[in-house]
Amino acid sequence: LAKTTQPISMDSYEGQEVNITCSHNNIATNDYITWYQQFPSQGPRFIIQGYKTKVTNEVASLFIPADRKSSTLSLPRVSLSDTAVYYCLVVGGNNAGNMLTFGGGTRLMVKP
Amino acid sequence: GAVVSQHPSWVICKSGTSVKIECRSLDFQATTMFWYRQFPKQSLMLMATSNEGSKATYEQGVEKDKFLINHASLTLSTLTVTSAHPEDSSFYICSASWTSGIYNEQFFGPGTRLTVL
Repeated sequence: LAKTTQPISMDSYEGQEVNITCSHNNIATNDYITWYQQFPSQGPRFIIQGYKTKVTNEVASLFIPADRKSSTLSLPRVSLSDTAVYYCLVVGGNNAGNMLTFGGGTRLMVKP
Repeated sequence: GAVVSQHPSWVICKSGTSVKIECRSLDFQATTMFWYRQFPKQSLMLMATSNEGSKATYEQGVEKDKFLINHASLTLSTLTVTSAHPEDSSFYICSASWTSGIYNEQFFGPGTRLTVL
């Protein structure tokens, strides 16, 4: 499974756009990039998944360059409720066990 | 959407006792469920993979005799912490996979906070 590296923490202010970058240099051809969000004392929640280029949903955008060795989660106009830990995961396309391996995550603090 | 529940949401027990945590997929059948443990300010650590009708697969370093997992049906997996000790105090989270169009998306339960006195 490809190892991921993210900043440990980030601070932002309400209304700003937040970009969290994740590096995954050893990503394999069949791997997908997935981001989860976790609030304190809750289970993680799926945010977005992508394979290449750009993916956008109602919550976030995911930018993946051509070499796929990194990805950037973009949260538009964050609010206080976006304060959480964000995990970048590389999900193996050939992973028969379907297990997820969580890295350290990025602790985002949104300030008023 | 797929919903996973856990019960209890928190439990306090005395050292040496056993505690059972239930994980249920409420609106879908889950052939495979996963159990994670999370210590304060740390990431989730996979403990074991629970397969319906067969023995669980434990990650390296996780004692299978201490953390008993039973996946008796397609909607229920249980984790029993036997002879719990204070160092077992943690946040235990289960998840289940569901085919939703997202590759290998897992739905997580709300977690169970275990405190061993």
